[in-house]
Amino acid sequence: DQQVKQNSPSLSVQEGRISILNCDYTNSMFDYFLWYKKYPAEGPTFLISISSIKDKNEDGRFTVFLNKSAKHLSLHIVPSQPGDSAVYFCAARGGATNKLIFGTGTLLAVQP
Amino acid sequence: EAQVTQNPRYLITVTGKKLTVTCSQNMNHEYMSWYRQDPGLGLRQIYYSMNVEVTDKGDVPEGYKVSRKEKRNFPLILESPSPNQTSLYFCASSPYRTGFTYEQYFGPGTRLTVT
Repeated sequence: DQQVKQNSPSLSVQEGRISILNCDYTNSMFDYFLWYKKYPAEGPTFLISISSIKDKNEDGRFTVFLNKSAKHLSLHIVPSQPGDSAVYFCAARGGATNKLIFGTGTLLAVQP
Repeated sequence: EAQVTQNPRYLITVTGKKLTVTCSQNMNHEYMSWYRQDPGLGLRQIYYSMNVEVTDKGDVPEGYKVSRKEKRNFPLILESPSPNQTSLYFCASSPYRTGFTYEQYFGPGTRLTVT
């Protein structure tokens, strides 16, 4: 059973507009959430994170929102740039072992 | 440069021929982990290690072995590879301290094909 779900396999936006990537989770015990970005032929790279005690974290063009009651988080990229085109994975920390449980990823394409 | 390296990057092998994928990090991280990425399934953890000589199973450990004899190295061993182990493999590392969460740093990946 997939505990972290990214229901949109792909997303296409115009350069300069907002990109919103969504992630849902089922386990209320998750206490930390992360977003990773992955380019082809490279490993995932860390983008931004949020603790479960917060509802928003911002870093430059990237903002992550957490809605614990809905078990939902989203990543906003404003403004979107062609270099943001990549696969985005959300991940949740599953307990004290630092284990990450990943979603299936969303392919973002930013059109010039 | 701080990094996680994996070798080989690409490997084609045959069923049953033992192989090892190496992973090394130069950041003095305690925690290391192996993941496999498959279409529609995201990244799934195979094994992890919280320090030297401490390893444990992840979500999909069947058919794999690991060892952690040194802090910097965490090799993944497939004793008798099968076609269902054809996948993209990633090694990752991070600091580890109880009560803290650290982002994991990933290697570039190893594309394994078992025929």
